[in-house]
Amino acid sequence: NAGVTQTPKFQVLKTGQSMTLQCAQDMNHNSMYWYRQDPGMGLRLIYYSASEGTTDKGEVPNGYNVSRLNKREFSLRLESAAPSQTSVYFCASSERIAYFGPGTRLTVT
Amino acid sequence: QQQVKQSPQSLIVQKGGIPIINCAYENTAFDYFPWYQQFPGKGPALLIAIRPDVSEKKEGRFTISFNKSAKQFSLHIMDSQPGDSATYFCAASHNQAGTALIFGKGTTLSVSS
Repeated sequence: NAGVTQTPKFQVLKTGQSMTLQCAQDMNHNSMYWYRQDPGMGLRLIYYSASEGTTDKGEVPNGYNVSRLNKREFSLRLESAAPSQTSVYFCASSERIAYFGPGTRLTVT
Repeated sequence: QQQVKQSPQSLIVQKGGIPIINCAYENTAFDYFPWYQQFPGKGPALLIAIRPDVSEKKEGRFTISFNKSAKQFSLHIMDSQPGDSATYFCAASHNQAGTALIFGKGTTLSVSS
């Protein structure tokens, strides 16, 4: 039982490049979330998926897209990375208690 | 509009002290109030949670106090230890499946030995 897994753990991108952050959970949770964490800003919700087949914008969705591929997987895509997207990205899943993955540390130069 | 306000931003206490972290919320529809603990390089993990029908909940050395009328809740750590040094986040959500947690900005706690 791995819980919530995220890949990659670290990534460096150049401005304008694209990439997809992968997230998978093995707890059979309906809901999944993407947050970003920046110093002094706490955890801010980017997108969430209340159930398979649905996605909704959170507080800071601009510059991101998501795909709920199936019940287990929820990916986050940066189409054209910007330095402002340098952050630590966390995926979480829940039924009520939210379980977080280990994070992806992304640097955009 | 910040829906969950957390203070202080950082806190330093000596071993055995009782750090207190405070949070205030605005949305009266919130009905689930968890606290998460995060160690450097790790994801946040649930520490303790409370619902508004009780005023206090204890789990080991951690206590949540809840004041529904003031829309405030706080975390107390009894007999704090150096191993408690971490970042603590309060959060809130609605009582609805799939509703995302709204987090405070976090408090970095350092417990000196």
